[in-house]
Amino acid sequence: AQTVTQSQPEMSVQEAETVTLSCTYDTSENNYYLFWYKQPPSRQMILVIRQEAYKQQNATENRFSVNFQKAAKSFSLKISDSQLGDTAMYFCAFMKHVGSNYKLTFGKGTLLTVNP
Amino acid sequence: DGGITQSPKYLFRKEGQNVTLSCEQNLNHDAMYWYRQDPGQGLRLIYYSQIVNDFQKGDIAEGYSVSREKKESFPLTVTSAQKNPTAFYLCASSIGTGWGSPLHFGNGTRLTVT
Repeated sequence: AQTVTQSQPEMSVQEAETVTLSCTYDTSENNYYLFWYKQPPSRQMILVIRQEAYKQQNATENRFSVNFQKAAKSFSLKISDSQLGDTAMYFCAFMKHVGSNYKLTFGKGTLLTVNP
Repeated sequence: DGGITQSPKYLFRKEGQNVTLSCEQNLNHDAMYWYRQDPGQGLRLIYYSQIVNDFQKGDIAEGYSVSREKKESFPLTVTSAQKNPTAFYLCASSIGTGWGSPLHFGNGTRLTVT
């Protein structure tokens, strides 16, 4: 069984600074997808970024980028120029095939607080 | 606007009663999912369905049941067999046929059982 581990239950950062959230996963699969979702206080789950395991280039979405290390099974999220609206729970997630279905497994989350 | 609707937002039940949480989507997505969220536990998969009339157990299916009679609907029943049903429940959908398609989530239902 694969697991997703987020080792930082809580983090804080000053506005405009950069912060990195860590995620490691355990799998014997060779092809899979990885995601970062954010959940602000409204509790709406919002997709931040995704990465296919076959792609070596790290995904980037505006101020959000990932550092994907396949051999190390590591998938960290970097947030640049942090904004107050980035305050949220951040979940790392792993998707793989299960027969003809796709199964998405989440980590326990990191609560990020951006301070003014 | 297309989206996923979960109703109600808050639900209260007495212990021993079954309760059904509604999830409807108008995104024309094939796949639908139910997750349970508890403090410090992240999201745990209860059931998922890739096509109509077919669904699979997730990691914590015991005490729950689902049906998928229509593409746009995936109701979740929390039965009296669920030992600790109080939680926040999230429904999601995805295109399904596209590998790696992200999940789109509803706003959730907070269930409290006393």
